[in-house]
Amino acid sequence: DIQMTQSPSSLSASVGDRVTITCRASQGIRNDLGWYQQKPGKAPKRLIYAASSLQSGVPSRFSGSRSGTEFTLTISNLQPEDFATYYCLQHYSYPPTFGQGTKVEVK
Amino acid sequence: QVQLVQSGADVKKPGASVKVSCRISGYTFTSFGISWVRQAPGQGLEWMGWISAYNGYTNYVQNLQGKITMTTDTSTSTAYMELRNLTSDDTAVYYCARDPGVFSVGGGFDYWGQGVSVTVSS
Repeated sequence: DIQMTQSPSSLSASVGDRVTITCRASQGIRNDLGWYQQKPGKAPKRLIYAASSLQSGVPSRFSGSRSGTEFTLTISNLQPEDFATYYCLQHYSYPPTFGQGTKVEVK
Repeated sequence: QVQLVQSGADVKKPGASVKVSCRISGYTFTSFGISWVRQAPGQGLEWMGWISAYNGYTNYVQNLQGKITMTTDTSTSTAYMELRNLTSDDTAVYYCARDPGVFSVGGGFDYWGQGVSVTVSS
C-alpha cells in the first residue's frame, strides 16, 4: 500500500495567516491526490483534486501544488471558517489511502 | 444537486450485524461507483471498499474481507454496506462517497453522505 505521510499533525494559526500542510507519498502517484477539509461532526469536503485543481465553489485562498512525491495544501489569508482538520487522499494505487490528518487550531 | 443521504445512527451488540444505506439523487446512479469510508472516534479516515453501481462489482480492503458486503439497488438508487460479527473496533462513523470508478476503484471522492454513527457495545 502507498503510505501518505502528512505533516504537521496539528498547527496553531491566526486569522489572516498563511498555512501550509504537506503530504509525502511513499512512491510516485502522479497527480492522483485530493485534499479534504473536515469539520467536527461533518463529512469530509473535497477542496482540491488532481493535486492542484480547485473544486468548484471552494474559495481561491485554497491552493494545491506538487513537487515529485510531495504535495502541499496552502491556505492563504486563513479565515475563521477554515479551522478544521485536513486530509490528503491518494487514489493512484489500490487501495486509496489517506494521510493522518492535520488539525488547524486557533492560536 | 448531488446528494447522498444515509440511514440513521445505530447501536449494536458485539457479534451482531449492521446494514447502512446510502440513497443518492442528482446524478445517474449507474454512471459512478460508491466507496465506503469509516472514521473511528478521534481517528482518521479509512477506506473500506468500493462497489460499481453499474455492474455490482466490488472490491474490499483486505482486512475486512469476509466481514463486509456491499450491494446496490438500482431501482431506488441506493447503496448498502453490511458489516458482520461486529466488535468494539467497528465503532465508527461510516460514510458513503461518490466514486468516479465504474469498472474499478476510482478514489477521487467528490461527494459524501452525511455519515452514520454505529456504536458497538454490550
